[in-house]
Amino acid sequence: GESVGLHLPTLSVQEGDNSIINCAYSNSASDYFIWYKQESGKGPQFIIDIRSNMDKRQGQRVTVLLNKTVKHLSLQIAATQPGDSAVYFCAENRPGNTPLVFGKGTRLSVIA
Amino acid sequence: DSGVTQTPKHLITATGQRVTLRCSPRSGDLSVYWYQQSLDQGLQFLIQYYNGEERAKGNILERFSAQQFPDLHSELNLSSLELGDSALYFCASSPFLVNTEAFFGQGTRLTVV
Repeated sequence: GESVGLHLPTLSVQEGDNSIINCAYSNSASDYFIWYKQESGKGPQFIIDIRSNMDKRQGQRVTVLLNKTVKHLSLQIAATQPGDSAVYFCAENRPGNTPLVFGKGTRLSVIA
Repeated sequence: DSGVTQTPKHLITATGQRVTLRCSPRSGDLSVYWYQQSLDQGLQFLIQYYNGEERAKGNILERFSAQQFPDLHSELNLSSLELGDSALYFCASSPFLVNTEAFFGQGTRLTVV
């Protein structure tokens, strides 16, 4: 099914280092992907998106890479800061009239 | 601030009771989604409305129902509550039906005792 998050993986990163968070998606026909950040006690917040006709998209301190061959998405955060500590979710838009399907979240912990 | 407003922020109720969660989408957004987030299940899609009509259904229990009103706000009704219904309930909105980012509210934390 579409259940995610049974065991939340955690990534610990030193402040100032770069972070890479990975996500595998299941549907090869998915054509739109989003990364969300969820801080404790808050709703998911949009970070960056990418469409399937692109391999890479850059934002402010963040880069999303899409590898359609292996159905893999990654989020790179440059110069990670304490405020980046949160749970990060990838979401995919599958074909047809279906809403976003969220992947397994990853908890990013920044060590000061 | 995403522009999506959810009320109440916290709700504590007893088993067997019924509650209503309310969501006001971002101005101009026609799509409203409801998600449930519990510790062991992640973000689970419940239901989507678009311009007043139900458009997609996920893992929503029969005890749960929702609607979207002409002014586009939405309500999620949870009845015959069980302990396992305790979770965060998020509403999200987007301008279009598909292929678009969704903006999430702050959620309603429901505790069933």
